[in-house]
Amino acid sequence: KAGVTQTPRYLIKTRGQQVTLSCSPISGHRSVSWYQQTPGQGLQFLFEYFSETQRNKGNFPGRFSGRQFSNSRSEMNVSTLELGDSALYLCASSLVGLDYTDTQYFGPGTRLTVL
Amino acid sequence: EDQVTQSPEALRLQEGESSSLNCSYTVSGLRGLFWYRQDPGKGPEFLFTLYSAGEEKEKERLKATLTKKESFLHITAPKPEDSATYLCVPYQKVTFGTGTKLQVIP
Repeated sequence: KAGVTQTPRYLIKTRGQQVTLSCSPISGHRSVSWYQQTPGQGLQFLFEYFSETQRNKGNFPGRFSGRQFSNSRSEMNVSTLELGDSALYLCASSLVGLDYTDTQYFGPGTRLTVL
Repeated sequence: EDQVTQSPEALRLQEGESSSLNCSYTVSGLRGLFWYRQDPGKGPEFLFTLYSAGEEKEKERLKATLTKKESFLHITAPKPEDSATYLCVPYQKVTFGTGTKLQVIP
């Protein structure tokens, strides 16, 4: 069974630009969550999508948005990039998602560098 | 607000020197806790799910245990390939611990 895939793996952008990251979950998984990981803050929850609806949201500004398609694939968008947005962005998928005890599996991440 | 604290932040062991990592949490109605291993620049890799106090799970040199307020990851006779950051997260999957960075020296 294929794991969670994320594209691209690496990105370099400049301040003010916008970026779109993509995530394909494990087949059959309907929940996709996004996390930001930085050395100083660790893993921080951005949002969760389930059946094309945002079901949970973390404490991030509106510049961070996402969506999920009918095939459960998800995209995350960051507009007006700031230097502090440089991070490893991780996508994770599970059968039924947050607040349940099903296992969540992570993708390899997208390393975003903002110059 | 849910909180998850992992200790120590960093741990350096000689190969073969056993030790334990701690994950303490303040989560009401805990219904499960997950342990992950993360190598630098990669996504976390699932290790264990613990569902209730008293439960134990084992995998090779790792054993995870759960009480009502904390979980332990015991590493027996570690090898250099066990070097990684170990993360815990309650079942909500929102609040991750900051991790324990383990280094095993040959």
